[in-house]
Amino acid sequence: EAGVVQSPRYKIIEKKQPVAFWCNPISGHNTLYWYLQNLGQGPELLIRYENEEAVDDSQLPKDRFSAERLKGVDSTLKIQPAELGDSAVYLCASSLGGRMNTEAFFGQGTRLTVV
Amino acid sequence: LAKTTQPISMDSYEGQEVNITCSHNNIATNDYITWYQQFPSQGPRFIIQGYKTKVTNEVASLFIPADRKSSTLSLPRVSLSDTAVYYCLVGDPFTGGGNKLTFGTGTQLKVEL
Repeated sequence: EAGVVQSPRYKIIEKKQPVAFWCNPISGHNTLYWYLQNLGQGPELLIRYENEEAVDDSQLPKDRFSAERLKGVDSTLKIQPAELGDSAVYLCASSLGGRMNTEAFFGQGTRLTVV
Repeated sequence: LAKTTQPISMDSYEGQEVNITCSHNNIATNDYITWYQQFPSQGPRFIIQGYKTKVTNEVASLFIPADRKSSTLSLPRVSLSDTAVYYCLVGDPFTGGGNKLTFGTGTQLKVEL
């Protein structure tokens, strides 16, 4: 079975341009996460979905970042406009959810470079 | 969420046992301890999770003392391929119906010949 799929793997854009990242979680996984990871740091949660509902978006910079998870499956994370400080790896993860399924599976991430 | 403290880095040699300790003094009653491994250019990967005493799987063991204020991830007979960053996470995986994963800075393990 395929794992969490993210695209693109790499993206280079100029500052002030928009950018979007796509995530396809493991089939049947209800919980979906978006993380940001800077070099040498641990992943930082941006947003967590339970099915279609964003249950934790307190760390999402809502002035420029937005996310959606239509039909509770695929998800898209958007930045508009991008800033130099947004250069990082964006990770998507999914888990079955519920009381007995807490293991999260991560994609390989999208490395964003803003120039 | 309970704050965790881990060593920034550790060095070892192939074939040795490696023990990485994580401190979590303000762990709550409902919190579990989870360890993830991350290789360069990859997302983190779940290793093991436990609540108390000892948990063992095919890749690692997790030791949790009675007071649960710390935990130790034990990797038996490491190889070069175990060189990675290891993260200790503490939290209630069931709050709000979902698993809230909060990562720290992790421990960079380097295994040499």
